Amino acid sequence: SYVLTQPPSVSVAPGQTAAITCGGNNIGGKDVHWYQQKPGQAPVLVVHDDNDRPSGIPERFSGSNSGDTATLTITRVEAGDEADYYCQVWDSHREIFGGGTKLTVL
Amino acid sequence: QVQLQESGPGLVKPSETLSLTCSVSGGSIRSSNYYWGWIRQPPGKGLEWIGNVYFGGNTYYEPSLKSRVTIQVDASKNQFSLKLTSVTATDTAVYYCARRSRGSSRYRPWGQGILVTVSS
Repeated sequence: SYVLTQPPSVSVAPGQTAAITCGGNNIGGKDVHWYQQKPGQAPVLVVHDDNDRPSGIPERFSGSNSGDTATLTITRVEAGDEADYYCQVWDSHREIFGGGTKLTVL
Repeated sequence: QVQLQESGPGLVKPSETLSLTCSVSGGSIRSSNYYWGWIRQPPGKGLEWIGNVYFGGNTYYEPSLKSRVTIQVDASKNQFSLKLTSVTATDTAVYYCARRSRGSSRYRPWGQGILVTVSS
């Protein structure tokens, strides 16, 4: 079955750029969605269909997807961006979530 | 704007059936543009998809859970439901309901989630 691989953790200083990767076999051929989840809260969609932002999500959040890797990029990182981030795709009639990446703002 | 709210028992005994309801407000569950889904998250772990239902009746289930899961729509109440049979401690999780776009597999919005503990 299809597997999405994310690094368990990423750390970044405030004001810098964070890149969170999501690896999968030929993931570039799929639509990738990204969710932000803060402690005790439900996930929130931050990027969909590789690089589209829902209304209300800052332009600092963007995505890319090519080959075997999709990437969520957060520019000018703020303390409030500290959260778990999950990637997600649809494959063979099932949803697949990555294992999640904890973003720590130093 | 559409809002979703989960409801149901917070404690279920092993071997029994977990039953949850998701109430949809601010939009119709009959919309042809959306599926309605359940996703769970065991304590301290990642997200696990359970399944989706379309108002027209189509359902998709996670293969590892398929033999125990039923997701149904009750259009008269603008709700959809989850039933998971023969539960064990490994089914302890926060259960979320969410709306899924039909043309894209994105989920937005999500309910706040409900913690269900399986214990005697």
